[in-house]
Amino acid sequence: DGGITQSPKYLFRKEGQNVTLSCEQNLNHDAMYWYRQDPGQGLRLIYYSQIVNDFQKGDIAEGYSVSREKKESFPLTVTSAQKNPTAFYLCASSIFDGGNQPQHFGDGTRLSIL
Amino acid sequence: KNEVEQSPQNLTAQEGEFITINCSYSVGISALHWLQQHPGGGIVSLFMLSSGKKKHGRLIATINIQEKHSSLHITASHPRDSAVYICAASSNYQLIWGAGTKLIIKP
Repeated sequence: DGGITQSPKYLFRKEGQNVTLSCEQNLNHDAMYWYRQDPGQGLRLIYYSQIVNDFQKGDIAEGYSVSREKKESFPLTVTSAQKNPTAFYLCASSIFDGGNQPQHFGDGTRLSIL
Repeated sequence: KNEVEQSPQNLTAQEGEFITINCSYSVGISALHWLQQHPGGGIVSLFMLSSGKKKHGRLIATINIQEKHSSLHITASHPRDSAVYICAASSNYQLIWGAGTKLIIKP
């Protein structure tokens, strides 16, 4: 079955530590996205990528970094510069970028500070 | 003021009731999405529409472009419909997200 796999489901970060969230898709989608969700708020876009080896900042990119070396993979690194990283992180993909295609989501990673 | 507003924020109803969730937007859009977020956090796309009405099972989504308003209806609601329902507007090649409506259906 095609889909998006995020791992791990739960992640804990120590102060000053970088952590990487994995996102893999086998839907052959060109566009991939990372969102952050905080309680009671809408999804906020962190980074997105329309094609391999290219990505753009979203609304809240500070303290995060991404790479897109393969079409299937779009890992997100939460760096120590992100002072409030506790949140639910969702990865999504779509056939191509533009907002006029349904986005397919992973099950999310919940990140907490130790 | 947010560009995409949903109402109500929270909704509790009895099994079998007809449910309506509203979404208003203030920007020009090319499409309006409705999604469902399960209690575990996973999100599923329900509808994408740019005009009129779409139906899938007990779910119906409508949009009025002139009034910049969309509604999601659930007929014969069931406890398994309990979830957060999110609308998102496609505008200028980006998605603008509503904050979601938390729906609880009691047996």
